[in-house]
Amino acid sequence: SAVISQKPSRDICQRGTSLTIQCQVDSQVTMMFWYRQQPGQSLTLIATANQGSEATYESGFVIDKFPISRPNLTFSTLTVSNMSPEDSSIYLCSGTSRGGGDETQYFGPGTRLLVL
Amino acid sequence: QQQVKQSPQSLIVQKGGISIINCAYENTAFDYFPWYQQFPGKGPALLIAIRPDVSEKKEGRFTISFNKSAKQFSLHIMDSQPGDSATYFCAAFRRGSSYKLIFGSGTRLLVRP
Repeated sequence: SAVISQKPSRDICQRGTSLTIQCQVDSQVTMMFWYRQQPGQSLTLIATANQGSEATYESGFVIDKFPISRPNLTFSTLTVSNMSPEDSSIYLCSGTSRGGGDETQYFGPGTRLLVL
Repeated sequence: QQQVKQSPQSLIVQKGGISIINCAYENTAFDYFPWYQQFPGKGPALLIAIRPDVSEKKEGRFTISFNKSAKQFSLHIMDSQPGDSATYFCAAFRRGSSYKLIFGSGTRLLVRP
């Protein structure tokens, strides 16, 4: 299993600013992902964080708006750039170890972002 | 093709009753179907998962039923308890590929005492 922590747990930001969210896993995971979840809604995948290379973004999400880093197998960051109130949401990271019999995708507790 | 359709959107069950949540998928390449439970203010946590080579999997009070030909799967919560009140998401993905989870829309379950 893997335990995932995120920082900050919540933040209130002004429009036009940027926020970087950190995701730390207590064990090495092959794959890490970033999701967005509007309150009361399902999870929408933003991107797959690739170690040592550019993230793979889903349709509707772009690197300039959501730059992602993944320097090693246990850490990733997501930046929400030039924020607007529409970016207010819960941002979650997840990790999974491909193969090895455990295909569970573990989730962090989320970062609750409010943009004013 | 990539969608997973989930119903009902919300469900109210009396304590001790059976909660049933249904999901359907289109992409036959999906080969792993987890259910996640999410409490308010928390991230989703894996509840139970099934592969399409079995028709049923049971863990305690939670059972997944899987119908490969109909491309449907369901979660049954037996003897539902107030502590089961949460949002439940079905999901699907294709192992050996991108491992991207495709989530259903979620079911908000309320178990009344």
